[in-house]
Amino acid sequence: DAGVIQSPRHEVTEMGQEVTLRCKPISGHDYLFWYRQTMMRGLELLIYFNNNVPIDDSGMPEDRFSAKMPNASFSTLKIQPSEPRDSAVYFCASSYSGGQGAPEQYFGPGTRLTIT
Amino acid sequence: GEDVEQSLFLSVREGDSSVINCTYTDSSSTYLYWYKQEPGAGLQLLTYIFSNMDMKQDQRLTVLLNKKDKHLSLRIADTQTGDSAIYFCAENGNFNKFYFGSGTKLNVKP
Repeated sequence: DAGVIQSPRHEVTEMGQEVTLRCKPISGHDYLFWYRQTMMRGLELLIYFNNNVPIDDSGMPEDRFSAKMPNASFSTLKIQPSEPRDSAVYFCASSYSGGQGAPEQYFGPGTRLTIT
Repeated sequence: GEDVEQSLFLSVREGDSSVINCTYTDSSSTYLYWYKQEPGAGLQLLTYIFSNMDMKQDQRLTVLLNKKDKHLSLRIADTQTGDSAIYFCAENGNFNKFYFGSGTKLNVKP
């Protein structure tokens, strides 16, 4: 398996523009997580899905952020309108709940987002 | 919610041992984890320990768990420059949700 795939890897856009980040989880995984990493706040969980259904979106900073998972192999995180304080590295992770032993989250390489 | 705390920085010389510490709050966690993040990359699982164990050794890595004090540590023996990275402690909660610490940046000086 190719692992968790995220696109784009880097995005630079002007404030006010819409930004869409994409994630393809590992095939067969039933959980998907979106995280944001900044120097100031560390790693923050934004939202996570189980079987494509959002379970907890309490980490989403404000209404400008939205996330969807239309099917088991694709999720998007959208920011509209974007602001400079949204600049961060955004990670997607997936995991499988059905195995024996320790659950593990597998992280994608991240999208480095810069809002100018 | 759950609170996982780590010191932010650690600097060691190549060849020395590194010890990264973590405290957590949820005594019901079944597993505790150490993840490693290299520059420009995502987090990768380094090792984990089951909550009913107090020690786990894996080559140069030793994990110690003190459940009474809710303290977890990662010892890296013979630290190399390639070990320079950010190390995250995590505990698992419900629904495969993990609670991560802020990460400890390990700097290994040659």
